[in-house]
Amino acid sequence: QLLLQESGPGLVKPSETLSLTCTVSGASTSSSGDFWGWIRQPPGKGLEWIGNVYFSGNAYYNPSVKSRVTISVDTSKNQFSLRLTSLTATDTAIYYCARAPVAGRGYYDYWGQGILVTVSS
Amino acid sequence: AIQMTQSPSYLSASVGDRVTISCRPSQDVGNKLGWYQQSAGKAPKLLISNASFLQSGVSPRFSGSKSGTDFTLTINSLQPEDFATYYCLQDSNYPFTFGPGTTVDIK
Repeated sequence: QLLLQESGPGLVKPSETLSLTCTVSGASTSSSGDFWGWIRQPPGKGLEWIGNVYFSGNAYYNPSVKSRVTISVDTSKNQFSLRLTSLTATDTAIYYCARAPVAGRGYYDYWGQGILVTVSS
Repeated sequence: AIQMTQSPSYLSASVGDRVTISCRPSQDVGNKLGWYQQSAGKAPKLLISNASFLQSGVSPRFSGSKSGTDFTLTINSLQPEDFATYYCLQDSNYPFTFGPGTTVDIK
């Protein structure tokens, strides 16, 4: 059974940096066949793709956050992470990590439960 | 970025109805489009990938199709658990983009 679990702070101050981790079980982040992604959803709104990372560390980002985001993978811990800098209230959202079973693709068959991150002083 | 248009944004239907939801990308995405169901308070669930490939474990009441450059999700014989919000996602070009969603509500 493949499981993904997000972890990180639920409250972050404006201008600070958000760091989230997704821990994977039942699959390996070192697999060449998978793609690992982050998607977010502001409360009551739609979904926004943030980016994907491959086991090699190659990452692809949404231009809407590209200057502020880094997605990385730690195959030794079977985790991948999201780092988002210079936070504002518009970054308040549920953040999901997910797995795409084909590298380079963006259809996500397994998702974490999501973590609500609120940006507020 | 490819813009995704979904219609309708909201529909009200009854148990047993057949409903269709449309998704139109602003440019050709080939077959690289998926459909997701999101129930209240839950993570999205992948229903269909590659326009028409039903995911394992998903009810065959769900089907996806493509006509020209437009995509359709069809739900046959709507069941109580189907009342949710549905999103399309294109993964043909970066950045991957979601449609704005269609909420299916109980009439």
